Amino acid sequence: QVQLVESGGGVVQPGRSLRLSCAASGFTFSNYGMHWVRQAPGKGLEWVADIWYDGSNKYYSDSVMGRFTISRDNSKNTLYLQMNSLRAEDTAVYYCARDIYVSGSYYFDCWGQGTLVTVSS
Amino acid sequence: SYVLTQPPSVSVAPGKTARITCGENNIGGKSVHWYQQKPGQAPVVVIYYDTDRPSGIPERFSGSNSGNTATLTISRVEAGDEADYYCQVWDSNSNHVVFGGGTKLTVL
Repeated sequence: QVQLVESGGGVVQPGRSLRLSCAASGFTFSNYGMHWVRQAPGKGLEWVADIWYDGSNKYYSDSVMGRFTISRDNSKNTLYLQMNSLRAEDTAVYYCARDIYVSGSYYFDCWGQGTLVTVSS
Repeated sequence: SYVLTQPPSVSVAPGKTARITCGENNIGGKSVHWYQQKPGQAPVVVIYYDTDRPSGIPERFSGSNSGNTATLTISRVEAGDEADYYCQVWDSNSNHVVFGGGTKLTVL
């Protein structure tokens, strides 16, 4: 079955870096665009970044532009999020999600269980 | 930038109809998707492309989108429908995905 499993979360000090991974299985990973979406404690969903199926295009929210980098390794069926210069406001559960793109819009048909990132001194 | 406005909370009695709105200028010109999120769980899509329902989602869930408001309608509400609901669009101008602020549905 289609499955996404995030890892790499934890507690990190402000200004430090962390890399999240999302292992995909049960589908042809290289055929799908992938996204990171986060949710701060008690707050709503916030889109973070996305990457096209072949890695040729990447987009970021204004809040992480220049600090976070999304990437993928289609040979390993894995999505990554490199997070640098972390701030307290980056504290959240980070989800990876698979997108379905039809007729000029994306939606997310599969989500991982999430990994918690806590930025604190 | 695109901002989707949802009511923070909606309350409904069991068996009644809940309507959750998602507002933005001319949202009717975009495709709107809806997610249900229960505590401690990842979101699940319940409506996509305004009105389509994934397999496994009850027919009680339906969607509409016109003018400045998209609406998720849940008929014959059950206790198990209690959750947070989020609308989502893709802003082609910025290439950004945008979520609404979320609505907490309480079943009385």
